[in-house]
Amino acid sequence: TQLLEQSPQFLSIQEGENLTVYCNSSSVFSSLQWYRQEPGEGPVLLVTVVTGGEVKKLKRLTFQFGDARKDSSLHITAAQPGDTGLYLCAGTYSSASKIIFGSGTRLSIRP
Amino acid sequence: DSGVTQTPKHLITATGQRVTLRCSPRSGDLSVYWYQQSLDQGLQFLIQYYNGEERAKGNILERFSAQQFPDLHSELNLSSLELGDSALYFCASSVGSSGRLGDTQYFGPGTRLTVL
Repeated sequence: TQLLEQSPQFLSIQEGENLTVYCNSSSVFSSLQWYRQEPGEGPVLLVTVVTGGEVKKLKRLTFQFGDARKDSSLHITAAQPGDTGLYLCAGTYSSASKIIFGSGTRLSIRP
Repeated sequence: DSGVTQTPKHLITATGQRVTLRCSPRSGDLSVYWYQQSLDQGLQFLIQYYNGEERAKGNILERFSAQQFPDLHSELNLSSLELGDSALYFCASSVGSSGRLGDTQYFGPGTRLTVL
């Protein structure tokens, strides 16, 4: 059972365009993280959000945690080829130490 | 470079065999996590050890086992291998015992297992 659904699964856009990736669940998470994974490497943590409604910015990336702490979005402005990769959201529950990963969004930025 | 090392990088074996994957955590990290990443299942948490003791269990099969040694390195043992066990296996480490805020997991480069 996939507790975290990401959409879209695949996204191919032109350099300079904006995009948004979504991460949705029916469960409430104590925190939610976004990772980026490049081919042949492990996931790398981009950001952690913990408060409902929280917005965090990392250069051209904007992360938002839903008010109910069930969903999150990642918005990239002026996408660059270096943004290409697999983006994973991951949620943690307050009662457990394990992380649940989403299905991933594979992003490709065309020069 | 995350500071987490995994060996071997690639492993090719036959069905029914047994293999051992090795992970060395970042210096100072007490927790080690194992994950399996396959095309159809995504990234699945298998098991976590903290300072030598099992801390949390995920979707780990009975044919799989793990341990963390006194020097904090960890091994994941996969036995009676099946074709469906072919996947990337990642190890991650963190300072503390929880996966929550402030306890960032750093992932190794992974071991690609191919079962023929």
